[in-house]
Amino acid sequence: AQSVTQLGSHVSVSEGALVLLRCNYSSSVPPYLFWYVQYPNQGLQLLLKYTTGATLVKGINGFEAEFKKSETSFHLTKPSAHMSDAAEYFCAVGGSGSARQLTFGSGTQLTVLP
Amino acid sequence: GAVVSQHPSWVICKSGTSVKIECRSLDFQATTMFWYRQFPKQSLMLMATSNEGSKATYEQGVEKDKFLINHASLTLSTLTVTSAHPEDSSFYICSARDGTSWNEQFFGPGTRLTVL
Repeated sequence: AQSVTQLGSHVSVSEGALVLLRCNYSSSVPPYLFWYVQYPNQGLQLLLKYTTGATLVKGINGFEAEFKKSETSFHLTKPSAHMSDAAEYFCAVGGSGSARQLTFGSGTQLTVLP
Repeated sequence: GAVVSQHPSWVICKSGTSVKIECRSLDFQATTMFWYRQFPKQSLMLMATSNEGSKATYEQGVEKDKFLINHASLTLSTLTVTSAHPEDSSFYICSARDGTSWNEQFFGPGTRLTVL
């Protein structure tokens, strides 16, 4: 079984400040981890993913995440927030079954203050 | 590449009618497609998984007779909400895998269903 916990349903940062969105996972097999962003009334867009190899993963729009096995974490960061980053962010862990399902966290709403 | 479309983007229907939502992979062949439901301010809830040419696998608690899923080709899956009721109003999102990208799913833009 797999699960994802996103700490903080709402995060507010000032424009230009560091963005840190937390994600912890539980998986009985080596995980495949994803961060998605969702803008209002839209589908999900992949920000970045970890499958194997380098534990620091860089994604689009200046975001990056680090896979820390010892901490079972995959936190998302961005050095300097932009107004356009305001959105809902979902962390997900890949399934091990033949269907390769994803299990999503509950989401974190990021607000960027001017 | 890896574009998934959904049609319609929004639909309003009367209670008791059926609504069909289409999900298409535009530039790849989708071996597996997934249907999710999302309530306001909540996460995505997986409803079912469908593989081309076979019956969909529904998650526990999802009524397969109410939410009919057909994956007739490698580029098209449909979700039909039968005898819709106001409680079926939601945002429905599909995603697709191409069988080569391990675990990665490509998401459609979603369909907003409102049942009056």
